[in-house]
Amino acid sequence: QQQVKQSPQSLIVQKGGISIINCAYENTAFDYFPWYQQFPGKGPALLIAIRPDVSEKKEGRFTISFNKSAKQFSLHIMDSQPGDSATYFCAASTGTASKLTFGTGTRLQVTL
Amino acid sequence: DAGVTQSPTHLIKTRGQQVTLRCSPKSGHDTVSWYQQALGQGPQFIFQYYEEEERQRGNFPDRFSGHQFPNYSSELNVNALLLGDSALYLCASSLGYSNQPQHFGDGTRLSIL
Repeated sequence: QQQVKQSPQSLIVQKGGISIINCAYENTAFDYFPWYQQFPGKGPALLIAIRPDVSEKKEGRFTISFNKSAKQFSLHIMDSQPGDSATYFCAASTGTASKLTFGTGTRLQVTL
Repeated sequence: DAGVTQSPTHLIKTRGQQVTLRCSPKSGHDTVSWYQQALGQGPQFIFQYYEEEERQRGNFPDRFSGHQFPNYSSELNVNALLLGDSALYLCASSLGYSNQPQHFGDGTRLSIL
């Protein structure tokens, strides 16, 4: 019940395109859903996060869509750039500072 | 404003040895969590320290232990190392049980030969 399932495992998008990564969770006690970006040799960096009281949150080119009834959430990267090429992880927790349960990651490659 | 710092950055050990990894939290943070990230996988929660006590623990054996010091820094100790312990060990810090997110360090890459 603690799993967070993430798809796809890898994604190739052309520059300027939209990257979409999906996650699904089982534990209905989760109330905090962050997305992290990780570059090789670096730790995960918080990109954007959402709570279940809203269905969408946008920060710049990054948008989280949240569907509480389906227990799914997704990350949309608009106007994808080569600098966005990284591994993206969704995560979930009960409370912001509580233990994070991570998805398995999506390796995004943005081509020219 | 210093972020989360971890040391060492890389470490090579052999099976059966013991290792200690160190973490200094981001300035102003008092809670430290440790995660293990195997190659190609998402981070897995090991445990969390707050007020010098272990508050939460993931599904890791007792070979994994930790400590938090009065200055909020933390250590992760792993005894009787196994080949499967090879991974990137990440430290994340946060401010108590506030609504502020966890910030990660760049980790310690542990290789077991």
